[in-house]
Formats: sequence, C-alpha cells, structure tokens
Amino acid sequence: GAGVSQSPSNKVTEKGKDVELRCDPISGHTALYWYRQSLGQGLEFLIYFQGNSAPDKSGLPSDRFSAERTGGSVSTLTIQRTQQEDSAVYLCASSAGLGIYSYNSPLHFGNGTRLTVT
Amino acid sequence: GQQVMQIPQYQHVQEGEDFTTYCNSSTTLSNIQWYKQRPGGHPVFLIQLVKSGEVKKQKRLTFQFGEAKKNSSLHITATQTTDVGTYFCANKLVFGAGTILRVKS
Repeated sequence: GAGVSQSPSNKVTEKGKDVELRCDPISGHTALYWYRQSLGQGLEFLIYFQGNSAPDKSGLPSDRFSAERTGGSVSTLTIQRTQQEDSAVYLCASSAGLGIYSYNSPLHFGNGTRLTVT
Repeated sequence: GQQVMQIPQYQHVQEGEDFTTYCNSSTTLSNIQWYKQRPGGHPVFLIQLVKSGEVKKQKRLTFQFGEAKKNSSLHITATQTTDVGTYFCANKLVFGAGTILRVKS
C-alpha cells in the first residue's frame, strides 16, 4: 500500500479484556514505531523495532503491554487486561532509515487505532 | 531521558498574523524534526534540520536550528486557516508536547 495501515480504526473493549492492534508499515521500511496519544496530548513513545535488532521497549508503560513484529513487516501491539487509562489513540509509524539510528529518518504515521476501554 | 520542551502550548491568532513555536533542549541535539497534525489527523513530517544554524523555508514556513543545536523554531508568516493544527518538534524517539495553533478568520 501507499501508506502505513492500521487496524482496527476503532476498538471499544471492556475493562479487563485483551486487545490486539495491528500495523502494516510502508513496504521496504525497516523501522517501525508505536506511539500513544491521549486526547489533546502529545505523542508518548512506546516501542521501536529496527530490522532484526532487539526492539527498544523502553517506553512501554507496564508489563501488560507487548509488541511483536513478524518477518520484519507487520507488527501487533497487545494490551492485556485493559484499564480505562489505556484509552487513547495508538499510532504506528515506519521509516526507511538503515541502522540503529533509523529514527533520524522521517516517520510516516498511520491513521491510528482509537481504543476506548469501558 | 532526552526531552524537548516546546512552547507555547497553545496560540490563537488572527488570520494574517505571524506565528512562532519554539523547541528547547538542555542537551545538544543531533537533529530536529518538525511535524504537523491536523485536527482529527495523524502527524505528518514537515522537515528535518541537522546543521548548526541551519535555516530552511517552505513557502510561508521558516525553520531554524540554533547555533548550539539546543533549540529550534518554526515561524509561519501571515497565517491562514489551513495552518490550523498542532505542531510538534521531535528528536530521536521523543516528541515535544506540541503547540496548538488556532486561526481566527
């Protein structure tokens, strides 16, 4: 596809349930990022994948959050036992840069998944 | 960790007025990126500055990187309603809190 694709676009879940959010990056982009944006707030870094290197998980807020990237392409962000404070827009981005400093290349964002925990 | 502080948080201007947002860091930055997020949209990359003292222009937008590479600014000349949105600076994986721009027509 032409851009970063995220699904679902909206997700409403009950507190305590697990959710999976999917990101399909731009073809050929080696780096993939997950951010979280609460209503009217800035972007909170969650996790960064670069090629086959170990991901930078330093932004994950708790052990209920995890992410994987299969085959260097599609990524899934999983939130277990969701809480109301998890409600936010989850943005995925990819970039074309090579090496561990791929984040120095422009990030291309998807439209996000709006998660609402009731 | 590395932080970039962005001011102001919010600015409401009359159409035709100028607008500036500032990004500051306590440490030297390798580069600075600027993004724009329209209401209801996702951040879109505008530009990246790398060199000390660098100035880049995109039509009515002027981007500057400080000599010490610790601060940056985005200046919009003669704002238009299409400039409405949130402007973010970013370095490495960290985004500033953003400046929300509203334009009164």
